[in-house]
Amino acid sequence: NAGVTQTPKFRVLKTGQSMTLLCAQDMNHEYMYWYRQDPGMGLRLIHYSVGEGTTAKGEVPDGYNVSRLKKQNFLLGLESAAPSQTSVYFCASSYSNWRGNQPQHFGDGTRLSIL
Amino acid sequence: AQTVTQSQPEMSVQEAETVTLSCTYDTSESDYYLFWYKQPPSRQMILVIRQEAYKQQNATENRFSVNFQKAAKSFSLKISDSQLGDAAMYFCAYKDYGGSQGNLIFGKGTKLSVKP
Repeated sequence: NAGVTQTPKFRVLKTGQSMTLLCAQDMNHEYMYWYRQDPGMGLRLIHYSVGEGTTAKGEVPDGYNVSRLKKQNFLLGLESAAPSQTSVYFCASSYSNWRGNQPQHFGDGTRLSIL
Repeated sequence: AQTVTQSQPEMSVQEAETVTLSCTYDTSESDYYLFWYKQPPSRQMILVIRQEAYKQQNATENRFSVNFQKAAKSFSLKISDSQLGDAAMYFCAYKDYGGSQGNLIFGKGTKLSVKP
């Protein structure tokens, strides 16, 4: 049971470099989300998607881009990494809202450090 | 905008004892969902328990139960017979019934320590 898989688990970047975080889910969920977790801040929503080909901004979208070309994958991109983007990134997925109180299922997170 | 507040940054409990974690939220909606997630040192986010706002009965999952007070906008988590494996960060989360695409709003978390 893979669930939600995030790649990579750890990464160190230099300021100005770019990278893409990959999230894959095998539960046929319609919705997918990217969060960042910073000490003392809880989880904050970066971007989300309600279906293949759709994306929308969350609470803290600046400096990030996303794409959902396939239903099972949700990519988070950093075009020019900044030290303020040092964080732990979580991907999550869920069934659509009309199914009721469906919980979000989370990946194991990616620890990203920007030097 | 909806907000979730966890007023206890850290809590401690003796093994086999009972502990209650507090959560309050602010919303103008009448239909919504509330969740408690557990995050152990492994970093994984694990769903502990969920509550629908339209249900008056408090949710229970084995040793975990909630005290849902809708009028007071309070959603506390009670852990009975605490075990060493319960040590973790606990996050309270809110979700609108509809219109917000299922986005979760999280509190800042409570770090629970369990003493043997």
